[in-house]
Amino acid sequence: HVQLQESGPGLVKPSETLSLTCTVSGGSISDYFWSWIRQPPGKGLEWIGYIYYRGDTKYNPSLKSRVSMSTDTSKNQFSLNLISVTAADTAVYFCVRGSGWFDPWGPGTLVTVSS
Amino acid sequence: IQLTQSPSSLSASVGDSVTITCRASQGISSQLAWYQQKAGKAPKLLIYAAVTLQSGVPSRFSGSGSDTDFTLTISSLQPEDFATYCCQQFNSFPLTFGGGTMVQIK
Repeated sequence: HVQLQESGPGLVKPSETLSLTCTVSGGSISDYFWSWIRQPPGKGLEWIGYIYYRGDTKYNPSLKSRVSMSTDTSKNQFSLNLISVTAADTAVYFCVRGSGWFDPWGPGTLVTVSS
Repeated sequence: IQLTQSPSSLSASVGDSVTITCRASQGISSQLAWYQQKAGKAPKLLIYAAVTLQSGVPSRFSGSGSDTDFTLTISSLQPEDFATYCCQQFNSFPLTFGGGTMVQIK
């Protein structure tokens, strides 16, 4: 069955760029949409955006000016970049399959924005 | 689209039937999903398209509703069901989630 795993730095300095990669195993990223979702500590879930394996994207307007996503079909990975981060971007970041409902989910990775 | 869940938390006993409500700020047809999240873990999909049980999810979970009002029912609460539940709409972008309902042991 398909499994997802997030990877990337757990600590990012304010004003810098948050970069995460999701590695998909047990299946191909082809023919699916892939999303990023985040959850600040103790708060609710926020959809960041999705990318189709061919590269088509759609982002949450609240983050659109700072977000970009990409895929690497040769590595079966997709990635998230969030520029100009602040403390408000501190959250657990999840990679997931889907553009409607979401399943499966990666375990999540905590990214803290702090100097 | 804003999703409002009620209650925000509830206490129940094993064997109880519990119902959680999710109200959308505008009509979303049947484009709603429900998730279960345990502390420190990723959410798990329970139900999509308002009423369709995800494969592998116990039949004690059920969903109903359409347009703006939806419910998640757990017919006989089991110890492993104590968790936070949230709804999510996929009718229009940006995709949004409800604030969550914590189900605690009485």
